[in-house]
Amino acid sequence: EPEVTQTPSHQVTQMGQEVILRCVPISNHLYFYWYRQILGQKVEFLVSFYNNEISEKSEIFDDQFSVERPDGSNFTLKIRSTKLEDSAMYFCASKAGTSGTDTQYFGPGTRLTVL
Amino acid sequence: AQSVTQPDIHITVSEGASLELRCNYSYGATPYLFWYVQSPGQGLQLLLKYFSGDTLVQGIKGFEAEFKRSQSSFNLRKPSVHWSDAAEYFCAVGARGNTGNQFYFGTGTSLTVIP
Repeated sequence: EPEVTQTPSHQVTQMGQEVILRCVPISNHLYFYWYRQILGQKVEFLVSFYNNEISEKSEIFDDQFSVERPDGSNFTLKIRSTKLEDSAMYFCASKAGTSGTDTQYFGPGTRLTVL
Repeated sequence: AQSVTQPDIHITVSEGASLELRCNYSYGATPYLFWYVQSPGQGLQLLLKYFSGDTLVQGIKGFEAEFKRSQSSFNLRKPSVHWSDAAEYFCAVGARGNTGNQFYFGTGTSLTVIP
């Protein structure tokens, strides 16, 4: 069964450094998402991406964040200058179509630790 | 605004016992409702979803959930728990009329199964 993959599984970085989290969505899916989960808190929506542009973003997704689909398979989340509070599990998801009933398929997550 | 509450942070059940995980949502109309499960090191896997129609929905791994509009609830049940069901369970609401369809998650319920 096709699945969403994410790399790395764990990333440790120093405060102020840039990080790029990588995701490979399921092939031929159209919508892509990033969510994050700070330890002990809810999984929170960050951004959705469709047709090579951001479809929606939350207030968490400020100028420090950016997303890109650099080629036909990867979907990346960049944090320009990491802060301690960016430490979280980051999940990528994709879905096949544009209907709200389409299932979002999630990757295993990347745990980001900012020191 | 949409929100999801999972009142139980952690539940312990004996193998073979029945299980009910609670989920309450806040949404202005009939929402799209989902239950996901996350095993250690794995992504969020869809257990079941509700959009309309029969309020009792069947999912994978023997799980079912019942949508109760009057209680704004979508509780997950399983008649007989297996040790492999130990995992984190997330309830999510998807907004209607929104093709981006971001999800709003609860904080999750951690399930421990004892022999």
